[in-house]
Amino acid sequence: DTAVSQTPKYLVTQMGNDKSIKCEQNLGHDTMYWYKQDSKKFLKIMFSYNNKELIINETVPNRFSPKSPDKAHLNLHINSLELGDSAVYFCASSQDGAGNIYNEQFFGPGTRLTVL
Amino acid sequence: AQKITQTQPGMFVQEKEAVTLDCTYDTSDPSYGLFWYKQPSSGEMIFLIYQGSYDQQNATEGRYSLNFQKARKSANLVISASQLGDSAMYFCAMREISYGQNFVFGPGTRLSVLP
Repeated sequence: DTAVSQTPKYLVTQMGNDKSIKCEQNLGHDTMYWYKQDSKKFLKIMFSYNNKELIINETVPNRFSPKSPDKAHLNLHINSLELGDSAVYFCASSQDGAGNIYNEQFFGPGTRLTVL
Repeated sequence: AQKITQTQPGMFVQEKEAVTLDCTYDTSDPSYGLFWYKQPSSGEMIFLIYQGSYDQQNATEGRYSLNFQKARKSANLVISASQLGDSAMYFCAMREISYGQNFVFGPGTRLSVLP
């Protein structure tokens, strides 16, 4: 039983294309996140969703758009891909409530995106 | 300003020895959580241990313990009896209310366990 799953695991595409990465969690968590991990392994939050509401949107290009059809899914859509978008993208989830900062995040396996 | 600092980009330790990975943090919130994650070469992120700002005792989970020094704002990870499988990247992270409960990760420390 996979707690947080992402598809695809690998994505190779040409510059200028549009692509999506899907994420699903079966933990019943109410908050989901997208992270970008660059080649130096630095992990940066991109988006988080709580109960289908975007609660923080870091300064990422508007070519990136998160879409959450329901509490268990948070997909990442990327328009007009650029070389600098090549990275590993992680989805994560946690069970939060108002003011709850004590629960860990569970991460998906990551999607390695390569833009040629 | 960096909220999470990990000053050791790389560390080596001999198998079966203990190792300490440093983490210092910056917050003005009285309430926050500190987390350590492991990322082996296979790429997945594995949660290891958690420490709350109000916890009186240092957290322990098996061979992992967290040396929490609140006044110094440090939360070092101690791994006892290192194993070859401990070779990985280790990330320290923090959650605080004022940051919308989101996680902020440090740059990581790459640990290599030598046989």
